[in-house]
Amino acid sequence: DGGITQSPKYLFRKEGQNVTLSCEQNLNHDAMYWYRQDPGQGLRLIYYSQIVNDFQKGDIAEGYSVSREKKESFPLTVTSAQKNPTAFYLCASMRSSNRGEKLFFGSGTQLSVL
Amino acid sequence: KNQVEQSPQSLIILEGKNCTLQCNYTVSPFSNLRWYKQDTGRGPVSLTIMTFSENTKSNGRYTATLDADTKQSSLHITASQLSDSASYICVVSLNSGNTPLVFGKGTRLSVIA
Repeated sequence: DGGITQSPKYLFRKEGQNVTLSCEQNLNHDAMYWYRQDPGQGLRLIYYSQIVNDFQKGDIAEGYSVSREKKESFPLTVTSAQKNPTAFYLCASMRSSNRGEKLFFGSGTQLSVL
Repeated sequence: KNQVEQSPQSLIILEGKNCTLQCNYTVSPFSNLRWYKQDTGRGPVSLTIMTFSENTKSNGRYTATLDADTKQSSLHITASQLSDSASYICVVSLNSGNTPLVFGKGTRLSVIA
């Protein structure tokens, strides 16, 4: 059963704490993305990686960090520098073809601050 | 600036009725436009893709249209069902760049009995 798996579904962060959101895919896609979604807002790009051991900042990268040591995995760390982390976080991988780009999303992680 | 605007922001309709969601874009160079459906608390799922040369495409009760001249797309839902309640997101792909996707903010559709 192929797809994108995000965990945990819900996560709580204390002040000054770093937390890591997991994202795993078995679709053999090269490109992976992290988006943040706030209520009533569109998806905003945090980081993306087009190939293993390489990643780029998106529009709102401050306070976040990522790694891409394996093709299948693209974890996101929300650091203590991110002062407003409460949001719904979506991980995606991309399939590119002559029909265009298609994103495959995970089921998301809801992060809240205690 | 590359932008995607969706309207209305939210919509409530009775079960069985039809509705149309709008997407206007100022993205260039345009590659394709895709509609996603996002259920509450879940990730978006692709419904349909429209390329430059396509005017209409259907996926069951969903019909998407594209007017590349006016840079407008619509998503028409026929005979709505309660399970159609979701956010519908319009995403436009650029034909260049490392981050080729521009997202609309979505239309929140509620279908009530």
